[in-house]
Amino acid sequence: GAGVSQSPSNKVTEKGKDVELRCDPISGHTALYWYRQSLGQGLEFLIYFQGNSAPDKSGLPSDRFSAERTGGSVSTLTIQRTQQEDSAVYLCASSSASLDEQFFGPGTRLTVL
Amino acid sequence: GQQLNQSPQSMFIQEGEDVSMNCTSSSIFNTWLWYKQDPGEGPVLLIALYKAGELTSNGRLTAQFGITRKDSFLNISASIPSDVGIYFCAGQLAGNQFYFGTGTSLTVIP
Repeated sequence: GAGVSQSPSNKVTEKGKDVELRCDPISGHTALYWYRQSLGQGLEFLIYFQGNSAPDKSGLPSDRFSAERTGGSVSTLTIQRTQQEDSAVYLCASSSASLDEQFFGPGTRLTVL
Repeated sequence: GQQLNQSPQSMFIQEGEDVSMNCTSSSIFNTWLWYKQDPGEGPVLLIALYKAGELTSNGRLTAQFGITRKDSFLNISASIPSDVGIYFCAGQLAGNQFYFGTGTSLTVIP
């Protein structure tokens, strides 16, 4: 597609449930980022994938959070045993190897009840 | 971790006025980026800056990469109602290390 897409756009879940968030980066972009944005806050870095290299997981807030990137394209962010403080907008971005600009998807708004 | 200090936090201006916001850091950045985020959407890239001292325009937007590489500003001239949104600066330290400011919320009063 023309831009980064994310699904679902909204997710409401109960505390303790697992959730999976999906990101489709721009075709050909080798770098993929996940960020979390809490209400009225800036972007908090979570994880970064670059090609076939080991991902940079330094931003993941706990071991309940994990992410995969299959075939160097689509990525899935998984949150296990969700907590209310996990409620936020989760943004995905991709960039090409030759450019520094990140292009963002529309985000997934997660609400944990 | 690294922090970008973005100011002002919010602005309320009359349509037609000019706007200025800036970001500063204690670290030297290789790249400065400015994004705009509309409600319910992801940030959209406005301007990218790659060299110290670089001044770049995109329509009514002008941004500069500070000489010290520790700061950047964004100006919007002759604001219009559709300029409303949250503006974020971002700095690239090295490789994949991007750091975002906390945002400037802009309200334009018609």
